[in-house]
Amino acid sequence: EDKVVQSPLSLVVHEGDTVTLNCSYEVTNFRSLLWYKQEKKAPTFLFMLTSSGIEKKSGRLSSILDKKELSSILNITATQTGDSAIYLCAVLYYGGSQGNLIFGKGTKLSVKP
Amino acid sequence: DAGITQSPRHKVTETGTPVTLRCHQTENHRYMYWYRQDPGHGLRLIHYSYGVKDTDKGEVSDGYSVSRSKTEDFLLTLESATSSQTSVYFCAIKRDNMDTQYFGPGTRLTVL
Repeated sequence: EDKVVQSPLSLVVHEGDTVTLNCSYEVTNFRSLLWYKQEKKAPTFLFMLTSSGIEKKSGRLSSILDKKELSSILNITATQTGDSAIYLCAVLYYGGSQGNLIFGKGTKLSVKP
Repeated sequence: DAGITQSPRHKVTETGTPVTLRCHQTENHRYMYWYRQDPGHGLRLIHYSYGVKDTDKGEVSDGYSVSRSKTEDFLLTLESATSSQTSVYFCAIKRDNMDTQYFGPGTRLTVL
């Protein structure tokens, strides 16, 4: 059975800390891995990773995919209270006429002032 | 903003009643999706559509049906709501030739 596992499930840090969120997957017909941020509303897209070893970066957030280890990490440096959210990892796989997403359960990040 | 709206945004209903949730998009995308999100389960795919009148089942489709008679609207129907269908429902779209899905604001449904 295809699955996406995120760890840790929750994390509490203080402003200024650096955090690393993990995502591992067992998915047949892997196509790409996506990260989303979800505050008290809809998930918003952060990154899509298709190739191993190529870092994607946006401000203090960065992410990289390791297809050999079937995993990805999301790093957030110099955390701020506005980074508090649930971070979702999803894997896009080929299925039928088009690809679909399998989501992990998310990592809930709380950043304390 | 991918031009997605969902209605209603909140609904409380009773067990056994039919419920229809609407997803509306303004950008003519072919692919549309319905997910439910529950604590401890993350987002799970209910149904998806790859064009007008073209739909398929997702991981948790039991108890749900969908219809897509126009490109811009994707309807999710609970024929006879049950308490286990209490959830937050998200609609998503995907642009052609791109892999990223963009989500609507969600509908919080409570079945008493």
